[in-house]
Amino acid sequence: QVQLQESGPGLVKPSQTLSLTCTVSGGSINSGAYYWSWIRQHPGKGLEWIGYIYYSGTTYYNPSLKSRLTISLDTSKNQFSLKLSSVTAADTAVYYCAQSNRGLRDAFDIWGQGTMVTVSS
Amino acid sequence: QSVLTQPPSASGTPGQRVTISCSGGSSNIGINTVKWYQQLSGTAPKLLIHNTDQRPSGVPGRFSGSKSGTSASLAISGLQSEDEADYHCAAWDDSLNGWVFGGGTKVTVL
Repeated sequence: QVQLQESGPGLVKPSQTLSLTCTVSGGSINSGAYYWSWIRQHPGKGLEWIGYIYYSGTTYYNPSLKSRLTISLDTSKNQFSLKLSSVTAADTAVYYCAQSNRGLRDAFDIWGQGTMVTVSS
Repeated sequence: QSVLTQPPSASGTPGQRVTISCSGGSSNIGINTVKWYQQLSGTAPKLLIHNTDQRPSGVPGRFSGSKSGTSASLAISGLQSEDEADYHCAAWDDSLNGWVFGGGTKVTVL
């Protein structure tokens, strides 16, 4: 049973870089069957796709965040990470990591529990 | 402002049928499959429907999805109290080259 768990600071200062890590257990991140994804949800709002990375290192980013965004893999630790630079209060949200399953037409079939990140001085 | 449009709320009594709409465009729902996610209060979303009308194993048969043109629908037949949740639709958008979501619909069981 694959499980995902987000980790990282819950508070980030404006203009700094938000960094989160997702640890994958029960499965290998080095699989061509999945994309490894980040999705966020602003308080009381809908979901927003941030981007994802394939095991080869190929990345796909939300165009609205692309200039500030880096998603990377650490296959030795079975983890993938998110870095979002120059954050503002508008980046305050619950951040989820998720597995996008190519066998289900890339549906996000497994999610982490989510981690709340607040941008504030 | 979400790319896909959902009504903010829907409601029904136990046993009723509730339908949630998701309106998109020719670059997303019009040419790609639709996914639906259920989000219980305070929890992460859960995949409910993939490939527009397919249920993952473990999802009750009272949930069904469909699509016509650039709109999709999720139907809950025989509404139950445990179905009270937010429901989100999603599709890949070929113009934006990314995933787009609806704003979510809160279903209340009266």
